[in-house]
Amino acid sequence: QKEVEQNSGPLSVPEGAIASLNCTYSDRGSQSFFWYRQYSGKSPELIMFIYSNGDKEDGRFTAQLNKASQYVSLLIRDSQPSDSATYLCAVSDTDKLIFGTGTRLQVFP
Amino acid sequence: DVKVTQSSRYLVKRTGEKVFLECVQDMDHENMFWYRQDPGLGLRLIYFSYDVKMKEKGDIPEGYSVSREKKERFSLILESASTNQTSMYLCASSRKGLAFSYEQYFGPGTRLTVT
Repeated sequence: QKEVEQNSGPLSVPEGAIASLNCTYSDRGSQSFFWYRQYSGKSPELIMFIYSNGDKEDGRFTAQLNKASQYVSLLIRDSQPSDSATYLCAVSDTDKLIFGTGTRLQVFP
Repeated sequence: DVKVTQSSRYLVKRTGEKVFLECVQDMDHENMFWYRQDPGLGLRLIYFSYDVKMKEKGDIPEGYSVSREKKERFSLILESASTNQTSMYLCASSRKGLAFSYEQYFGPGTRLTVT
């Protein structure tokens, strides 16, 4: 059974801090990796995807991938209260995605 | 901009009723997916489809069926609704990848309550 693991949280950070969200996966053959944000009662919204080892930056968000360690992370710089949400990590399985159960992030003023 | 729409945001049905959930995408995506999401269990794949008239079982297909007669439309059918099918149902679509998966785009979800 292919698995994606995330700490459920909540992860609480003060406004302006860096939030670090982590995800590990079991299938060494996975090729593509995704981060989604989900507000309460809403559907998941794609934030970033990453295919290659290393870092990928998009505004305040940085995705980091380490295939050797089977580890992907999401850094949110200058965290805002509006970033408070559940963040889902997803890992490819041929044409499907396997989702983690998400980490709840709380950014307090 | 990718748009995935679902027929209802909220639905209340009685036990034993046949329920149809419709999903439409406007980006000519090959792949379409149906998930349910429950607290503590995350997103669980019910069925997916790679092409018109093709379907594949996901992790929890029991009690569900699907139909894909047109590329843009993917329907989820609960043949005889039961209370344990009360959940948030999410439809998603993506391009078909050759060596890897492309990102999935989600509809707004349908919160189904079966009483």
